[in-house]
Amino acid sequence: GAGVSQTPSNKVTEKGKYVELRCDPISGHTALYWYRQSLGQGPEFLIYFQGTGAADDSGLPNDRFFAVRPEGSVSTLKIQRTERGDSAVYLCASSLSGGITEAFFGQGTRLTVV
Amino acid sequence: EDKVVQSPLSLVVHEGDTVTLNCSYEVTNFRSLLWYKQEKKAPTFLFMLTSSGIEKKSGRLSSILDKKELFSILNITATQTGDSAVYLCAVEYRGGGADGLTFGKGTHLIIQP
Repeated sequence: GAGVSQTPSNKVTEKGKYVELRCDPISGHTALYWYRQSLGQGPEFLIYFQGTGAADDSGLPNDRFFAVRPEGSVSTLKIQRTERGDSAVYLCASSLSGGITEAFFGQGTRLTVV
Repeated sequence: EDKVVQSPLSLVVHEGDTVTLNCSYEVTNFRSLLWYKQEKKAPTFLFMLTSSGIEKKSGRLSSILDKKELFSILNITATQTGDSAVYLCAVEYRGGGADGLTFGKGTHLIIQP
């Protein structure tokens, strides 16, 4: 695709539910990043994929958060037992070879947990 | 702990004014400093700075880095309403797994007609 695509653009879920957020990177980009941006804050790193493997998942806040990228392109961020504090915009970015400074960001998914 | 501090957090000016946005940082294994413009959701890249004292310029926007004093400024001259956005400063660091970015909270800039 022309850019990084994230779906859905908005998601409202009830506390305790499971959600999946999808990221379609730019075609051919091997590196993929997930960031979380809470209201009034800058984006915070969650996880970085190089190809199919998670090269750095040190930003995942706890074991309710998990992300996969089984075929090295589309990635899914999964959040179990959602809490109100998970409400944020979840941003995905991709880059051709792994340099975060060359990454392009998607429009994000705004997750609201009620 | 790595940190990036931006100031002011919000700023309201009139069209035509010049603004200066500030970013200071304390980051281990610094590699570069980046500025992004964020309208609605997606941050879009503005500048990457790696060397002190070399101004980067793009139209009415310019930025410079001081690696001794650990700060950067972003200048916007002759502001227009389309410049209204959140401006994010981020510092690239060398991490254990891969290079990463630590973002500041951003400066919310509002340009009034």
